[in-house]
Amino acid sequence: AQKITQTQPGMFVQEKEAVTLDCTYDTSDPSYGLFWYKQPSSGEMIFLIYQGSYDQQNATEGRYSLNFQKARKSANLVISASQLGDSAMYFCAMREGSSNTGKLIFGQGTTLQVKP
Amino acid sequence: DGGITQSPKYLFRKEGQNVTLSCEQNLNHDAMYWYRQDPGQGLRLIYYSQIVNDFQKGDIAEGYSVSREKKESFPLTVTSAQKNPTAFYLCASSLGWGTDTQYFGPGTRLTVL
Repeated sequence: AQKITQTQPGMFVQEKEAVTLDCTYDTSDPSYGLFWYKQPSSGEMIFLIYQGSYDQQNATEGRYSLNFQKARKSANLVISASQLGDSAMYFCAMREGSSNTGKLIFGQGTTLQVKP
Repeated sequence: DGGITQSPKYLFRKEGQNVTLSCEQNLNHDAMYWYRQDPGQGLRLIYYSQIVNDFQKGDIAEGYSVSREKKESFPLTVTSAQKNPTAFYLCASSLGWGTDTQYFGPGTRLTVL
């Protein structure tokens, strides 16, 4: 069954330091997309970064990068130079290319707190 | 500005009432989705629509209904048959299908009194 696992319920990081949020996934579909979303306390789900299963290079978007290790089925999010505004819940999600619903499968999320 | 709007932000419902949550997008996206989020949880798919005048049930469709009469609009009705409707509801859209990125609206928080 398709599944996303985020094993860190909560994380702390000092401002200006880098932090890695873990995500492992399970699928038998060779075509899939992996996504990271940020959910601040306001509730909106903000798209951060995308990695396709056939992409050769790790995705990067500004201070966000995705450490994609296909053989290990992991897609960890790295946030560099943490800022206080990065404090939020972070969700890893997967969408399978063959899915007939197009749904995103979400992990349970990781709460990140950035300390000044 | 292109984006997805949801209204209202907060909604209170009495037992036995139907309520409708609005979702509008001006991104010219074909596909739209409704998800439900319970406290401390990820999102679960309620309904989805790949194209105008077509929609399909997701994983937790019981007690909900939708319509897709216009490309920009995908309203969700929470009926009295939904036994535990108190939750945070998020609408999303994507340009197409497959692995296209889904973009979310700001959400509606529904509370049953």
